[in-house]
Amino acid sequence: DAGVIQSPRHEVTEMGQEVTLRCKPISGHNSLFWYRQTMMRGLELLIYFNNNVPIDDSGMPEDRFSAKMPNASFSTLKIQPSEPRDSAVYFCASSRGSGPQHFGDGTRLSIL
Amino acid sequence: GNSVTQMEGPVTLSEEAFLTINCTYTATGYPSLFWYVQYPGEGLQLLLKATKADDKGSNKGFEATYRKETTSFHLEKGSVQVSDSAVYFCALSDNSYDKVIFGPGTSLSVIP
Repeated sequence: DAGVIQSPRHEVTEMGQEVTLRCKPISGHNSLFWYRQTMMRGLELLIYFNNNVPIDDSGMPEDRFSAKMPNASFSTLKIQPSEPRDSAVYFCASSRGSGPQHFGDGTRLSIL
Repeated sequence: GNSVTQMEGPVTLSEEAFLTINCTYTATGYPSLFWYVQYPGEGLQLLLKATKADDKGSNKGFEATYRKETTSFHLEKGSVQVSDSAVYFCALSDNSYDKVIFGPGTSLSVIP
């Protein structure tokens, strides 16, 4: 079975540019999560959706970050404008009902 | 609020040594407890879970027992292998898988 699919796997861009990270959850899963992982802060929950509706976005760092889930099979996390401190690994995870979260392999983002 | 504390790493062990990674938690009510594992370059994977006091979760030779009296969920394995080298995260959920609170992670290196 296909797991959570994230793209791109790696992204290197200059500060000030717009960055869009993509996620395809596992089919049939109704909750989707975006995390950020850094050495300094560990794993942080940014936002999560249930049935395509944002439930908790309290972890979104600031207005430069936005996330959408237009349908059950696709979500995006956008950073505009990007800054060097946004460099991190961004993970998407999905789950169904009370089941465990399944993580993608992440997007390694470097902002120069 | 809810929180998870883990022993700091990195932990380095020889192959076939006994492993313990300590985890304690703070939570209201009766949370579910988890251990996730992250192999290099990958996302987190659920390793084992326990949903109520005195439950023992086990998988791949790892086990952990939900101890409500000591608010602990220590991870143990009797004989580690090189392939167990990874980062291990203790986590809790307040009876909803929707939002999981992760500990900072403990890096384990097993040397031949």
